[in-house]
Amino acid sequence: SQKIEQNSEALNIQEGKTATLTCNYTNYSPAYLQWYRQDPGRGPVFLLLIRENEKEKRKERLKVTFDTTLKQSLFHITASQPADSATYLCALDTGGFKTIFGAGTRLFVKA
Amino acid sequence: NAGVTQTPKFRVLKTGQSMTLLCAQDMNHEYMYWYRQDPGMGLRLIHYSVGEGTTAKGEVPDGYNVSRLKKQNFLLGLESAAPSQTSVYFCASKGNSGRAPETQYFGPGTRLLVL
Repeated sequence: SQKIEQNSEALNIQEGKTATLTCNYTNYSPAYLQWYRQDPGRGPVFLLLIRENEKEKRKERLKVTFDTTLKQSLFHITASQPADSATYLCALDTGGFKTIFGAGTRLFVKA
Repeated sequence: NAGVTQTPKFRVLKTGQSMTLLCAQDMNHEYMYWYRQDPGMGLRLIHYSVGEGTTAKGEVPDGYNVSRLKKQNFLLGLESAAPSQTSVYFCASKGNSGRAPETQYFGPGTRLLVL
């Protein structure tokens, strides 16, 4: 069956360190992959999108990698700050109407 | 530009009652979606619409109905609420440029408690 897996355990890191979140998927052939941020009590907000033919994408302190052979995406936040604390969702698109979301990983950045 | 708005923000229902959740977007997006989010399960697609007057079932459509009479509005109805429908409901919209992948824009959510 089709599945998206994100680490269900929260990730706790110290301010200034790099946070790395993992998204693994099975039985999909995504055209592109997205990462969203969700704060408590709010809707998800789009962060980054990477296409199947791209290996890496950067935006300020954020970096996403996409390995279609391993069926894995890594999401990095460098020089993390307490304000980066949130839940991060991975989402796959096959190029049609629907987007499939992972359950998300909670990140806590300690000052 | 308000983006995606949802009404109401919070509602308590008794089992068997009905209600309608309202979603509006001012970005002229073609696609609209209703999701529910439950702890540990992520966002699950209930129904979606690819244009005015069209709707389709998502992953968990049972117990819900939708309508898209106007392009900017997408309504989610619960005809006879059940405790299993206690959840946070998110509406989202997405453009269709036809040339590049589009991302989804989410509303702030509606928290529904069914007793």
